[in-house]
Amino acid sequence: QVQLQESGPGLMKPSQTLSLTCTVSGGSISGGNYYWSWIRQPAGKGLEWIGRIYSSGRTSYNPSLESRVTMSVDTSKNQFSLDMSSVTAADTAVYYCARGVDLSTGGSLFDCWGQGNLVTVSS
Amino acid sequence: DIQMTQSPSSLSASEGDRVTLTCRASQSISRHLNWYQQKPGKAPKLLIYGASSLQGGVPSRFSGSGSGTDFSLSINSLQPEDFATYYCQQSYALPHTFGRGTKLQIE
Repeated sequence: QVQLQESGPGLMKPSQTLSLTCTVSGGSISGGNYYWSWIRQPAGKGLEWIGRIYSSGRTSYNPSLESRVTMSVDTSKNQFSLDMSSVTAADTAVYYCARGVDLSTGGSLFDCWGQGNLVTVSS
Repeated sequence: DIQMTQSPSSLSASEGDRVTLTCRASQSISRHLNWYQQKPGKAPKLLIYGASSLQGGVPSRFSGSGSGTDFSLSINSLQPEDFATYYCQQSYALPHTFGRGTKLQIE
C-alpha cells in the first residue's frame, strides 16, 4: 500500500523560502496514471490546492501561488518537492502531499495523503 | 476558478440518522466531483469520486449523486465514526478547488 510522508521545517521566518519533500513508499512515483500534489490547510479552514507534478516533470500550479511556487520530482529517490518563496504569515498551514489519479472517464481524485506537515511562519 | 459552495456549514444529527450534504459548483463540472471526510488532526480521506462512485473500503452507507452544478452526499444510519468534516472537490478544471466543508456534529 502506497504511503506518503512529508518532511520539512516547522517554523519559518517571513521572506524565507519554504522547502518540503514528500517521500513515497510502497509504490513507484513513476508511471501509471498518477500525479503528485501539494495541498494546504490553514488552521480551522478549508483545503487549498497548490499544484501538481507528474513523474515526467510536467507541472501545473494554482495561479494564486504560481509566482512563488516550484515543484520538482526525483524519481531515483521516489520523492517530490515543493519550494515556496517569500513566505508570510498567510502561508501558515498544514501542508499535505497527496497522490492524484487521472480517471479514464475524465477528472481525477486524491486517493492517498501524507499525514501533513505544520508550517508556521512567524518573526 | 470554479467556486464550490457547501451547505450547510454545520449540521447536528444523531446516531442512526440519515443526513444529506450538498455542494454546488459555480459552473458545470459534469460529474467530476469528489467527496472527502476529514477528522481532527488527520488528512482527508476519499469517500466518493466521479460524483457517485464509492472508493474501495468505504462503507455502503455513504452515497453520492448529482451532475452539472448540484451534488449531494448522503449518509445512511449515522455511525459514531461518521462525525467529521466533509469536503467536496471539483476535478473538472485547474486549479482544483474544494468547498469550505460541512462539519457534521453529534446532536
